[in-house]
Amino acid sequence: GNSVTQMEGPVTLSEEAFLTINCTYTATGYPSLFWYVQYPGEGLQLLLKATKADDKGSNKGFEATYRKETTSFHLEKGSVQVSDSAVYFCALSDLAAGNKLTFGGGTRVLVKP
Amino acid sequence: SAVISQKPSRDICQRGTSLTIQCQVDSQVTMMFWYRQQPGQSLTLIATANQGSEATYESGFVIDKFPISRPNLTFSTLTVSNMSPEDSSIYLCSVSLTGEAFFGQGTRLTVV
Repeated sequence: GNSVTQMEGPVTLSEEAFLTINCTYTATGYPSLFWYVQYPGEGLQLLLKATKADDKGSNKGFEATYRKETTSFHLEKGSVQVSDSAVYFCALSDLAAGNKLTFGGGTRVLVKP
Repeated sequence: SAVISQKPSRDICQRGTSLTIQCQVDSQVTMMFWYRQQPGQSLTLIATANQGSEATYESGFVIDKFPISRPNLTFSTLTVSNMSPEDSSIYLCSVSLTGEAFFGQGTRLTVV
């Protein structure tokens, strides 16, 4: 079956530091890959996505590249802000599985001023 | 895009009782998904609800515990039955449109 593995948190950073959250996946088909963000007290929001190999998703300064050869979709941001403090979830959806989402365990990021 | 409204947003319930969570979508969708997010954990799919047919449950979830209704293409309910403290979680409704998933704000359930 499909699975997503992402680095455990919490990750604590200072403002303007570089952020990387690793995500690898296992899928039987050709999944789409996503990063979702959950800010404190809020629901899940789509941060970015990539639907095929070598696609790069980007939003709000965050980037992730769909790497089929390493089955990875690592999330990066060059300079984090306090407002980036949240829980980040890597996920995949597989058309063969009816577009159900499979989530990683989530990574809590805390950015300190 | 899709806007999803969930009710209630939170509730505190006595063990042994049941709670029904409502999910309303602003557009017609074939499939609706119900997820559970236990404290400090990731999201786990409970079931997929198709309009006009019985819901499909994931391993570890059963209809008697989590009955689902899907009366039309914009609405679904999830009932958490005979609750115990272990059912304390956030329950989220989700839909998929053009390959993107949208989520409701969630229902934060505490069972005491």
